[in-house]
Amino acid sequence: DAKTTQPTSMDCAEGRAANLPCNHSTISGNEYVYWYRQIHSQGPQYIIHGLKNNETNEMASLIITEDRKSSTLILPHATLRDTAVYYCIVRVETYKYIFGTGTRLKVLA
Amino acid sequence: DTGVSQNPRHKITKRGQNVTFRCDPISEHNRLYWYRQTLGQGPEFLTYFQNEAQLEKSRLLSDRFSAERPKGSFSTLEIQRTEQGDSAMYLCASSLGAGGINTIYFGEGSWLTVV
Repeated sequence: DAKTTQPTSMDCAEGRAANLPCNHSTISGNEYVYWYRQIHSQGPQYIIHGLKNNETNEMASLIITEDRKSSTLILPHATLRDTAVYYCIVRVETYKYIFGTGTRLKVLA
Repeated sequence: DTGVSQNPRHKITKRGQNVTFRCDPISEHNRLYWYRQTLGQGPEFLTYFQNEAQLEKSRLLSDRFSAERPKGSFSTLEIQRTEQGDSAMYLCASSLGAGGINTIYFGEGSWLTVV
């Protein structure tokens, strides 16, 4: 079973920030949080990962709470091309990811 | 493009036929994974290779499924005597296993339709 829970779907206006939450209350101290997204009919695309500190790259920012029980992926200026299913994953084993059903983000024009 | 490459991208086969999918990982990645994804669900782990050794197989991988990675480079996933329930997207991924961080990069997937 997935170790994360995410809302099933969210809408965001184009040009606004999209904030996608994820709960991972059973995360252990050495487990990373990974985010991927999947655009229709394509393979999952890596976005970002983090352990304790907030992280930012060219695609997104990842905010992890101090107790590490939840995190938020932020797309600062959502575009129509960001419409996708977003998966938050806590790595269970060093070699295996357990995906949940993710959050279906719809960016509205 | 030096990402994970999968082929064929689409395969339609009759029930009972055998199919084979090929995956070429990112060069120098020593870990290779196969996942399966059905409509509306997230990807499900099938199996994992470290170099040429297959180190874990999911219970989802029935006896009709076999995966190989000869010489630790490309991999093949064969499904024998296909059933309609095998219809899914088969995803290959690879990573450079090193230390605690193990970011997995996925290919575009191979769609299988069994009719």
